[in-house]
Amino acid sequence: AQKVTQAQTEISVVEKEDVTLDCVYETRDTTYYLFWYKQPPSGELVFLIRRNSFDEQNEISGRYSWNFQKSTSSFNFTITASQVVDSAVYFCALRNFMNSGYSTLTFGKGTMLLVSP
Amino acid sequence: GAVVSQHPSWVICKSGTSVKIECRSLDFQATTMFWYRQFPKQSLMLMATSNEGSKATYEQGVEKDKFLINHASLTLSTLTVTSAHPEDSSFYICSATGTGYEQYFGPGTRLTVT
Repeated sequence: AQKVTQAQTEISVVEKEDVTLDCVYETRDTTYYLFWYKQPPSGELVFLIRRNSFDEQNEISGRYSWNFQKSTSSFNFTITASQVVDSAVYFCALRNFMNSGYSTLTFGKGTMLLVSP
Repeated sequence: GAVVSQHPSWVICKSGTSVKIECRSLDFQATTMFWYRQFPKQSLMLMATSNEGSKATYEQGVEKDKFLINHASLTLSTLTVTSAHPEDSSFYICSATGTGYEQYFGPGTRLTVT
């Protein structure tokens, strides 16, 4: 069975602080994809990144960076110099490559990030 | 590209009535569509998966007679909540995949049952 654990329920930081959101996953598949989504108060999921299991290179996109460590089954997300607009719920998700002809997403419980001015 | 819309974005209905939510893929053909439910401050829970022209596959614990899913075309899936009750109040999100396995999410529909 697949599982995604986001142990941090809520994180509060002050603007300009760096913050790391943790994600630990479990899967028996050798091929899988990991995702991060942002869900602002409006509710619409915003896709942030997709990483496949064969690519352990870390990625940086502006103030966002992701650290994929297969050895510890973790895919952590860091926001550098946080801003108030970063306040949202962030979900980590795992997709198995193939399951009965289609793939499904397993979401973590989400981490609510509150960035105060 | 890969835009998914949902209609309505929010709906209020009275207990005992039925409400239909539409999910459309606007610029691609969606071979598979997914329906999720999200209660306040909780994660997305997959309710069912539907393939065009086939019966939906429901996740364990989801009542298929209560949540009717129709995926009649490659661009449209509908979720009908029958005889809605206050406990069905939730945020319903659909997603769709085309020829690949990427899921594109709709903006969600907030259902309030009074």
